[in-house]
Amino acid sequence: QKEVEQNSGPLSVPEGAIASLNCTYSDRGSQSFFWYRQYSGKSPELIMFIYSNGDKEDGRFTAQLNKASQYVSLLIRDSQPSDSATYLCAVNEGDYKLSFGAGTTVTVRA
Amino acid sequence: EAGVTQFPSHSVIEKGQTVTLRCDPISGHDNLYWYRRVMGKEIKFLLHFVKESKQDESGMPNNRFLAERTGGTYSTLKVQPAELEDSGVYFCASSLAGQETQYFGPGTRLLVL
Repeated sequence: QKEVEQNSGPLSVPEGAIASLNCTYSDRGSQSFFWYRQYSGKSPELIMFIYSNGDKEDGRFTAQLNKASQYVSLLIRDSQPSDSATYLCAVNEGDYKLSFGAGTTVTVRA
Repeated sequence: EAGVTQFPSHSVIEKGQTVTLRCDPISGHDNLYWYRRVMGKEIKFLLHFVKESKQDESGMPNNRFLAERTGGTYSTLKVQPAELEDSGVYFCASSLAGQETQYFGPGTRLLVL
């Protein structure tokens, strides 16, 4: 499987701040990218997907993709305690096979 | 609509025993995937079914693992005989035909002693 690297955590941010999560991938041919949120002991929950270079916004979440730099990020604006979770970056290698990063644990301090 | 369900949620077995994990995908999802997360590592792909056919089983670690999806509905993943290094969380996911977005189940936590 191809490599997906995420910035090491844990990441601690105060409530109301912006949490910034980064992910790089090794396969230049990758076309689709996903961010999952996983609460402890629960299933990974899809929160964003992005296919095109640039920004994609959904509520308080913004995904950014730069294929030339093989970089995808997730911004969480106005962070809330309920955003405390592990965030997983996943890259579609082709044929629907996802490669995951190790995850970044985010803690939002009230 | 019910999400992906997996059974059991936890399983503790001894080395050498057999364990069978079950996954029920979201109704109507032709694609079904198995993934695994071993301690301290990232989630890794095991295999992909399209309906009842194995589309890609390149991630299966060895022949102790057998996945089936008879009838193209639920799937089972059998580990026989289980080894210590098989311990981890086994996730199932599903997606609609032609769709890349995969929806994950809660996982089965397997501990081999």
